Amino acid sequence: NAGVTQTPKFQVLKTGQSMTLQCAQDMNHNSMYWYRQDPGMGLRLIYYSASEGTTDKGEVPNGYNVSRLNKREFSLRLESAAPSQTSVYFCASSAGGSGNYGYTFGSGTRLTVV
Amino acid sequence: RKEVEQDPGPFNVPEGATVAFNCTYSNSASQSFFWYRQDCRKEPKLLMSVYSSGNEDGRFTAQLNRASQYISLLIRDSKLSDSATYLCVVNRAGGYQKVTFGIGTKLQVIP
Repeated sequence: NAGVTQTPKFQVLKTGQSMTLQCAQDMNHNSMYWYRQDPGMGLRLIYYSASEGTTDKGEVPNGYNVSRLNKREFSLRLESAAPSQTSVYFCASSAGGSGNYGYTFGSGTRLTVV
Repeated sequence: RKEVEQDPGPFNVPEGATVAFNCTYSNSASQSFFWYRQDCRKEPKLLMSVYSSGNEDGRFTAQLNRASQYISLLIRDSKLSDSATYLCVVNRAGGYQKVTFGIGTKLQVIP
């Protein structure tokens, strides 16, 4: 069982470059999320998708865009990377929404912006 | 006051010891609670939900104290493999943006 698959696992970008983080889940979950994790801070929600065809901003959406391509896939795009976006990014999915169900996380993407 | 607060630790305990972590939350409307485990440089994994009546899973016991607004995680007979960071997660009513992760408590079990 693959669960949630994220790519790439590591990435180094120069300031101003763009990239897309890919995420796919095979659990038939409706809801998908993108979080970032920084030292000394809890995971912070960037964007979420309650169901296929919908996306909404989370706590820290600036500098990011997302696409819910289909029920399985939810991508995160950095249009013009900045050093402040250096972080570990996690994609997650859940069977339902509103946080009442546990999340399954992908293995993470370690992004460094220089 | 932060919405969810955890002591970051580290808690260094000998193998076989019992250890407990607390997590306090500020919003009395919070309705669901979870503990996650995160190993170093890995993703968080759901450890257990926290029910109003308390719940147990093997050596792990989770409890909720609504009056004092905290949840706890008790680990009995600690194993070396329990070494990890334990994240508390609190969900306020009202949707996806209302899920808050604590910074985590680091546990190191020592031989």
